[in-house]
Amino acid sequence: DGGITQSPKYLFRKEGQNVTLSCEQNLNHDAMYWYRQDPGQGLRLIYYSQIVNDFQKGDIAEGYSVSREKKESFPLTVTSAQKNPTAFYLCASSPTWTGGYSNQPQHFGDGTRLSIL
Amino acid sequence: AQKVTQAQTEISVVEKEDVTLDCVYETRDTTYYLFWYKQPPSGELVFLIRRNSFDEQNEISGRYSWNFQKSTSSFNFTITASQVVDSAVYFCALRGGFYNQGGKLIFGQGTELSVKP
Repeated sequence: DGGITQSPKYLFRKEGQNVTLSCEQNLNHDAMYWYRQDPGQGLRLIYYSQIVNDFQKGDIAEGYSVSREKKESFPLTVTSAQKNPTAFYLCASSPTWTGGYSNQPQHFGDGTRLSIL
Repeated sequence: AQKVTQAQTEISVVEKEDVTLDCVYETRDTTYYLFWYKQPPSGELVFLIRRNSFDEQNEISGRYSWNFQKSTSSFNFTITASQVVDSAVYFCALRGGFYNQGGKLIFGQGTELSVKP
């Protein structure tokens, strides 16, 4: 079955440590996204990538970094500069589009819960 | 600016009641897409419905129905004869063109629906 796989499901970070969240998709989607969800809130965009070797900052990119070396993979690193990393992180992907718009839904992974030790 | 508002933070109903989740959006785009997602306790986001801005037909899928009214910028979601399995957080989301941060989804804060037996 095609889908998005996020790992690990739970992650703990120590002070001063960088941690990397994995996101892999086999849907052949060009666009991939990282969202952060805080309790009782909607999702906010951290980074997105529309094509391999290219990515752009979203609304809350500070303290995070990404790479897009392969179409299937879009890992997110939470750096020590992110002072409040405790949240639920969701990765999503979306098909390509024509004409600048797409009605295709974003497909989401199961998420990673990150906490501070 | 684009914005989605879900004014109902929590709703509690008894099984078999009908329930409507409200969604109001703001956008200056003439072409846009609206989505509803369900987030069960396990955390993943499940796509339910999409609607594009030039199609105001209401839609029914089993016990679910959606009422899109462009004149009031609303896209409400009704569950008929609710069941315990409907208990989840429901998100309404807006998507504009890919010029806007790669076609990111702009989420409302979510409505937590609790259906009691």
